[in-house]
Amino acid sequence: GAVVSQHPSRVICKSGTSVKIECRSLDFQATTMFWYRQFPKQSLMLMATSNEGSKATYEQGVEKDKFLINHASLTLSTLTVTSAHPEDSSFYICSARAQTGQGLFFGEGSRLTVL
Amino acid sequence: KQEVTQIPAALSVPEGENLVLNCSFTDSAIYNLQWFRQDPGKGLTSLLLIQSSQREQTSGRLNASLDKSSGRSTLYIAASQPGDSATYLCAVRTDAGNMLTFGGGTRLMVKP
Repeated sequence: GAVVSQHPSRVICKSGTSVKIECRSLDFQATTMFWYRQFPKQSLMLMATSNEGSKATYEQGVEKDKFLINHASLTLSTLTVTSAHPEDSSFYICSARAQTGQGLFFGEGSRLTVL
Repeated sequence: KQEVTQIPAALSVPEGENLVLNCSFTDSAIYNLQWFRQDPGKGLTSLLLIQSSQREQTSGRLNASLDKSSGRSTLYIAASQPGDSATYLCAVRTDAGNMLTFGGGTRLMVKP
């Protein structure tokens, strides 16, 4: 099946620093990737939709200047958490759609801890 | 706005039992519905994908059904095993866009 790789799986950073998370589709091209955020014991909440070669579409309440998304190629999307604060500590998961009509394939997730 | 609800939120069963997880959604105009498994601290593993034109999908001990008109889907797990312990999420893709709307999940514990 389609494989989505996410890196890093865990990251700890100091408050005020920026962190970049990568999401790669390893064996397929993904024109659309999605970024989700998950707080403990809660379900996933969509943060933004990332389309290759264009600006990401952010969900209501998500700060686009804080969560920078870049989808420069058909196999790579990145999420940068800028000036991270402890409240940004969460589990971030990306997903990619292989082709029209198919389900989404998810990365393993990245756990961000901001000290 | 699509809303997805999963019942029960948590379930504990002895090994070997057959069990049913429920998922309901408010807007029946869906494109497809997908069931996922999530282990603690891990990403999601896709279990079954049901297109809007389908009634059910089966994979091994798992069977998922879809009733669009009533806004319901069920995930049936036969002969449960301790290794099935995880959180099970259903997610609906609407016609309006590519995004998935997730239910709150059902945390399953299968005791040996």
